[in-house]
Amino acid sequence: DGGITQSPKYLFRKEGQNVTLSCEQNLNHDAMYWYRQDPGQGLRLIYYSQIVNDFQKGDIAEGYSVSREKKESFPLTVTSAQKNPTAFYLCASSTRGRGTNEKLFFGSGTQLSVL
Amino acid sequence: KQEVTQIPAALSVPEGENLVLNCSFTDSAIYNLQWFRQDPGKGLTSLLLIQSSQREQTSGRLNASLDKSSGRSTLYIAASQPGDSATYLCALGSYNQGGKLIFGQGTELSVKP
Repeated sequence: DGGITQSPKYLFRKEGQNVTLSCEQNLNHDAMYWYRQDPGQGLRLIYYSQIVNDFQKGDIAEGYSVSREKKESFPLTVTSAQKNPTAFYLCASSTRGRGTNEKLFFGSGTQLSVL
Repeated sequence: KQEVTQIPAALSVPEGENLVLNCSFTDSAIYNLQWFRQDPGKGLTSLLLIQSSQREQTSGRLNASLDKSSGRSTLYIAASQPGDSATYLCALGSYNQGGKLIFGQGTELSVKP
């Protein structure tokens, strides 16, 4: 089945710890995205990548880091600098990511909580 | 800055009723508008995508319209079913935001049997 796989589904972070959320896609999409969703709010863009070895900051990149070494993979690291990391994190992909008429495909999300 | 608003935040209707969900935006310079469905604790599923040159799109019992001049989009659901219960989000691809999608807060729909 083609799609986007996020893991783990639930993740707990201790004070001062970095944690990494995994996102893998087999849709052969060039563009990948990370969004954060807080209760009662819309999705906010953290980082996006339109091509391998390149990525751009979104609206709320502080305290997060990403890499795009392979087309299929776009992991997100939540660093200790992110003081309010508790949220639902969603990974998405699209064909080219050029802001044209493309549908966005989402993974099933990772719920991150602070211990 | 583009702002996207969805009202109401929550809606409860009896099964079989036709309903309309609203999405308003402040900047008419958009690439497209998408409607998504999100089930609790899950990711988003794209329902309909309307290009900026189009006025509406239909898929089964769903019809989405776009009026750029008034800054509004509506999602019409015909003959609602309990399985339609979910949160519905609209998102705009905005020229002035580098083509990135700007999401509304969503409308949580509950269809009662």
